[in-house]
Amino acid sequence: EAEVAQSPRYKITEKSQAVAFWCDPISGHATLYWYRQILGQGPELLVQFQDESVVDDSQLPKDRFSAERLKGVDSTLKIQPAELGDSAMYLCASSLRVRHVQETQYFGPGTRLLVL
Amino acid sequence: AQTVTQSQPEMSVQEAETVTLSCTYDTSESDYYLFWYKQPPSRQMILVIRQEAYKQQNATENRFSVNFQKAAKSFSLKISDSQLGDAAMYFCAYRSGSNTGKLIFGQGTTLQVKP
Repeated sequence: EAEVAQSPRYKITEKSQAVAFWCDPISGHATLYWYRQILGQGPELLVQFQDESVVDDSQLPKDRFSAERLKGVDSTLKIQPAELGDSAMYLCASSLRVRHVQETQYFGPGTRLLVL
Repeated sequence: AQTVTQSQPEMSVQEAETVTLSCTYDTSESDYYLFWYKQPPSRQMILVIRQEAYKQQNATENRFSVNFQKAAKSFSLKISDSQLGDAAMYFCAYRSGSNTGKLIFGQGTTLQVKP
């Protein structure tokens, strides 16, 4: 069964360093999402791509976060510089878009970030 | 703005018994979708069940069923014949029918299943 792949699974970094997370969606899924999940809370959307275009980045802290999906397939989320409050699970999800309707989102295993 | 509230941080159930997880939401939209996702410890989130707001019939998936009360904006999940593998964090989520795709999650309910 096809799955969303993410790497690394765990990342420990020091405050002010740069980190990057990678996501490979299910083949054929044109829509890709990055969510942030703080421990004990529900995920919150950071950015949504339709193919290579950003359709929603209203909750992305753009002073330190950036995301790209250059060829409309895999995606990278970057944080520079990392802050203590960025410690969280970063989830990637993907979905099909069928006749302008977004289908079910499938989630990857996530990258757990710890900022020291 | 839409919100989703899960008022039960933790629930427990005896194996083989039935448990109901609560969820309420707030929206001014008439077209939307509701979901329950399961997140086992250290494992990825998976879809349990989905409900379209325009459908009056409650969704069911094997041992999982929902009680969708549109007027009350309530969407509870019933798990019958609970199994040890059902132990997980359960999230209720809302998605607008405007095709943005964005999921709005509740705070989650941790379900413990006792043998």
